[in-house]
Amino acid sequence: EVQLVESGGGLVQPGGSLRLSCAASGFTFNSYNMNWVRQAPGTGLEWVSFISSGGSIIYYADSVRGRITISRDNAKNSLYLQMNSLRDDDTAVYYCARQISYTLDVWGQGTTVTVSS
Amino acid sequence: DIQMTQSPSSLSASVGDRVTITCRASQTISSYLNWYQQKPGKAPKLLIYAASSLQSGVPSRFSGSGSGTDFTLTLSSLQPEDFAIYYCQQNYITPYTFGQGTKLEIK
Repeated sequence: EVQLVESGGGLVQPGGSLRLSCAASGFTFNSYNMNWVRQAPGTGLEWVSFISSGGSIIYYADSVRGRITISRDNAKNSLYLQMNSLRDDDTAVYYCARQISYTLDVWGQGTTVTVSS
Repeated sequence: DIQMTQSPSSLSASVGDRVTITCRASQTISSYLNWYQQKPGKAPKLLIYAASSLQSGVPSRFSGSGSGTDFTLTLSSLQPEDFAIYYCQQNYITPYTFGQGTKLEIK
């Protein structure tokens, strides 16, 4: 079964850091581009970041650029999101999503990040 | 950035109804348009990709059309499990922007 499982969310103070992980299974992870998408409480979906299958091409949303770093370890079938200098408006459910061609076809269940003092 | 605008923002309908949701891009995105369904507390689920291709396992009552800047998602005969929020998204160029969502509610 194709599956993505996020972890690492939690409560963090403003200015703090958190590292999210996404474990992939059931498919050849190193063949797929990957993305992070987030959803603040009661709001819509916001794309956060993209990383190519080999990790050489990376894109970020303007709202997180300079504070967030996407990475992957293909040997471990894992995707990561290192989040620093967290702000209140980073509070959201964070989803990892597999990209095939121009589509996000498989999504994890999400991990919740709450930034609050 | 490409802005994606959905209409309506909310919609009330009955089981068996035919409904249409529209999505407009602020610039041409060819057919790089996807539709997702999201239910409360769940991850989004891909319904339609490349504007009109039905994702495997999705019922045929869902269909998509359009190209360029104007797109539609049609549900031909609403079922109880279809009441959810629907999002369009362009994957033409980063940032991969989403529409604001259309909440489909039971009348």
